[in-house]
Amino acid sequence: NAGVMQNPRHLVRRRGQEARLRCSPMKGHSHVYWYRQLPEEGLKFMVYLQKENIIDESGMPKERFSAEFPKEGPSILRIQQVVRGDSAAYFCASSPPGVLSTDTQYFGPGTRLTVL
Amino acid sequence: QKEVEQNSGPLSVPEGAIASLNCTYSDRGSQSFFWYRQYSGKSPELIMSIYSNGDKEDGRFTAQLNKASQYVSLLIRDSQPSDSATYLCAVNMDDYKLSFGAGTTVTVRA
Repeated sequence: NAGVMQNPRHLVRRRGQEARLRCSPMKGHSHVYWYRQLPEEGLKFMVYLQKENIIDESGMPKERFSAEFPKEGPSILRIQQVVRGDSAAYFCASSPPGVLSTDTQYFGPGTRLTVL
Repeated sequence: QKEVEQNSGPLSVPEGAIASLNCTYSDRGSQSFFWYRQYSGKSPELIMSIYSNGDKEDGRFTAQLNKASQYVSLLIRDSQPSDSATYLCAVNMDDYKLSFGAGTTVTVRA
């Protein structure tokens, strides 16, 4: 009965490197959401994906950030050429099939990214 | 104007007392409202959801929703030290996008 899984839990990168964050949704869930939490701030929506489709990426910076949720395997949030301002906790959430406003999103443990 | 605003806190209450958390939201069309608890360095954990006006009780937690006033609150009765955490109000917008408040940090004094 595994919940939402994320790895790595902690990631350290130097400026200019790439960061790849992985998320496996809860069993039976087909919707994945990525949120970012900057220090001392609330969570901010980044992107919403279904299998092989990006539904809404309005919260994701236009440059350097990309996300995917392939047919097989986990969802990936990719940050290219990281900068210190990217240091944050990145949380993935999932919800079951069907788009209902009442669907509860269940959060993974997060990946804490530190950019040196 | 922020989409979701919470009372800033921090909120300190003695053990056994009631902690009262407030949240207002800007989108009058919002239909789903959630309270998450987040311990320091951990992920948000759902503790309550509410969709209709009125009160909803679950154990020591009571959520209250007033859509006309665009207001949702959370009461924690008989507060325990283990309730010390940051409480996040979340509003479901666009059928899937959660907008979060900045959170209210609660400290329960033994």
